[in-house]
Amino acid sequence: KNQVEQSPQSLIILEGKNCTLQCNYTVSPFSNLRWYKQDTGRGPVSLTIMTFSENTKSNGRYTATLDADTKQSSLHITASQLSDSASYICVVSNMNYGGSQGNLIFGKGTKLSVKP
Amino acid sequence: DTEVTQTPKHLVMGMTNKKSLKCEQHMGHRAMYWYKQKAKKPPELMFVYSYEKLSINESVPSRFSPECPNSSLLNLHLHALQPEDSALYLCASSQVGRSPRNTEAFFGQGTRLTVV
Repeated sequence: KNQVEQSPQSLIILEGKNCTLQCNYTVSPFSNLRWYKQDTGRGPVSLTIMTFSENTKSNGRYTATLDADTKQSSLHITASQLSDSASYICVVSNMNYGGSQGNLIFGKGTKLSVKP
Repeated sequence: DTEVTQTPKHLVMGMTNKKSLKCEQHMGHRAMYWYKQKAKKPPELMFVYSYEKLSINESVPSRFSPECPNSSLLNLHLHALQPEDSALYLCASSQVGRSPRNTEAFFGQGTRLTVV
């Protein structure tokens, strides 16, 4: 069964600190893995997208890693800011479903709260 | 322009009303999606259009009727909804193709729907 598991469910950190969010997946065949940031009541915004051949992808203070062998990904946030408070969703694409446009399998997200 | 625009941002409707949600993108994407997201849950796929033709319907009740009048527009017509249909409705678009890069989806900000 295609699944994406994220941990922790929620996380509270102080402003300026670093944190790492985890994503484990069992999706086959694997196409790509994306991390999205979603503010409450808003649409998800893409942070990074990685294919199986990419180990690391950075976007400003966000750095995503991917280990296709162990089917694990992490999202590291450095020097956190209050505006980083949001849900972070790991999404894995399965190319076989529905033809060429693929199927997006969502994790349940990690709710991050950054406190002053 | 990397935006997916959804209107309205908020909608309150009665169970006997007929309303429509609109989604627009000008990125040349030929795949467009409707998702439904309940509070604290990941988005759930409803419909996929590929080249303006409905390619996936995830067993969505007929009170939701999608329409893709052209390659830039996607509508979701609502009729006789139930209170449990209250949710955030997200539109997304992506390119169509077998390259993993082409399956990156861009999301709109969503329409917050309340059925009373």
